[in-house]
Amino acid sequence: QKEVEQNSGPLSVPEGAIASLNCTYSDRGSQSFFWYRQYSGKSPELIMFIYSNGDKEDGRFTAQLNKASQYVSLLIRDSQPSDSATYLCAVNSNGDYKLSFGAGTTVTVRA
Amino acid sequence: KAGVTQTPRYLIKTRGQQVTLSCSPISGHRSVSWYQQTPGQGLQFLFEYFSETQRNKGNFPGRFSGRQFSNSRSEMNVSTLELGDSALYLCASHSHNEQFFGPGTRLTVL
Repeated sequence: QKEVEQNSGPLSVPEGAIASLNCTYSDRGSQSFFWYRQYSGKSPELIMFIYSNGDKEDGRFTAQLNKASQYVSLLIRDSQPSDSATYLCAVNSNGDYKLSFGAGTTVTVRA
Repeated sequence: KAGVTQTPRYLIKTRGQQVTLSCSPISGHRSVSWYQQTPGQGLQFLFEYFSETQRNKGNFPGRFSGRQFSNSRSEMNVSTLELGDSALYLCASHSHNEQFFGPGTRLTVL
């Protein structure tokens, strides 16, 4: 079983819709959870991080964490064509800086 | 504040050669991590340095090594290159549990 798994893509959504991305992790002791966005040919950029159960909102992005279910998600509201990218879920288990990444979900927003 | 810089941005080597990649973290950041990204394996952790000491290491062979200097700049070295080492090598600079990636070095091994 992989440490971090993401829902397989690609995910295609119309402009203005909500894109929902899911991620599960295997280490129950995981402490920190991150969502990165990576445009083709570019390096990952941090969108959001979440440490506590519940929701965290930042602009059009909402991260949701459920530690009991070992599940973290990212919602992108009012999706724009500029949101078209690969979204990477990353998990930190030991409180250090080692991140375990999922394979990523590619999102395409149709104009 | 300037971001993470990596040099060179692109590199072509042949099997058996060795390569050294460089990373300068964001000013004030003392911790640096390295990752390898390939289409097949995704992003994988290589190692992490803090104050010139390796604090964590991923599951890569000993051909992959690194170091950090007193100014926090870091280098990674890959010896005896194999075709499978072709990848994007990313350096990340850390602050308060957030990691910021550099543009990466694209290594092609022929």
